[in-house]
Amino acid sequence: DAGITQSPRHKVTETGTPVTLRCHQTENHRYMYWYRQDPGHGLRLIHYSYGVKDTDKGEVSDGYSVSRSKTEDFLLTLESATSSQTSVYFCAISTRSTGRGTEAFFGQGTRLTVV
Amino acid sequence: DQQVKQNSPSLSVQEGRISILNCDYTNSMFDYFLWYKKYPAEGPTFLISISSIKDKNEDGRFTVFLNKSAKHLSLHIVPSQPGDSAVYFCAASGAAGNKLTFGGGTRVLVKP
Repeated sequence: DAGITQSPRHKVTETGTPVTLRCHQTENHRYMYWYRQDPGHGLRLIHYSYGVKDTDKGEVSDGYSVSRSKTEDFLLTLESATSSQTSVYFCAISTRSTGRGTEAFFGQGTRLTVV
Repeated sequence: DQQVKQNSPSLSVQEGRISILNCDYTNSMFDYFLWYKKYPAEGPTFLISISSIKDKNEDGRFTVFLNKSAKHLSLHIVPSQPGDSAVYFCAASGAAGNKLTFGGGTRVLVKP
């Protein structure tokens, strides 16, 4: 298994509060991704990183920000959580860009509930 | 607008028979296609992929077929086993930089 750890695994938070999810890898992979999984939508890309301090937006980035200050850590922050951000969040890593067909390795997910 | 679609949300098959999962895409710029398998409470795991220059790729019990003219791919699992019961996601890349575009998933149930 790829060395990817997501924390926390479960979280319940109140609307309007900030939330930070952490993804930690031990594989030294260059690319890191945050996805959310919702019924009927599959997995949708929120943000990704192609190196330390290099990040870019995905298709559902509104309301989310990310930071990558070290190769091994990729943080996803919900500045002010809303109920529409209730979802399962997955971090993924890859050696090369997934845009080149490279497979990504996924973490076990974080189930976030915004009440 | 979903560029990758899996029109069958679920599939039930008897153990030992063939499972056929379908995926359609709209963007002709996609040049790699991947299938991922996901068990409950786990992250997706890579299963098999195919480049757009091929029409078939086989790995053990899993075969992926690509029909570019129809913008359609399928995953065949033969023979199906109870451990294959999972959600399967089709994904495509090459059209939007670093991005993988996923379909909505198909839940497969293999009955003993």
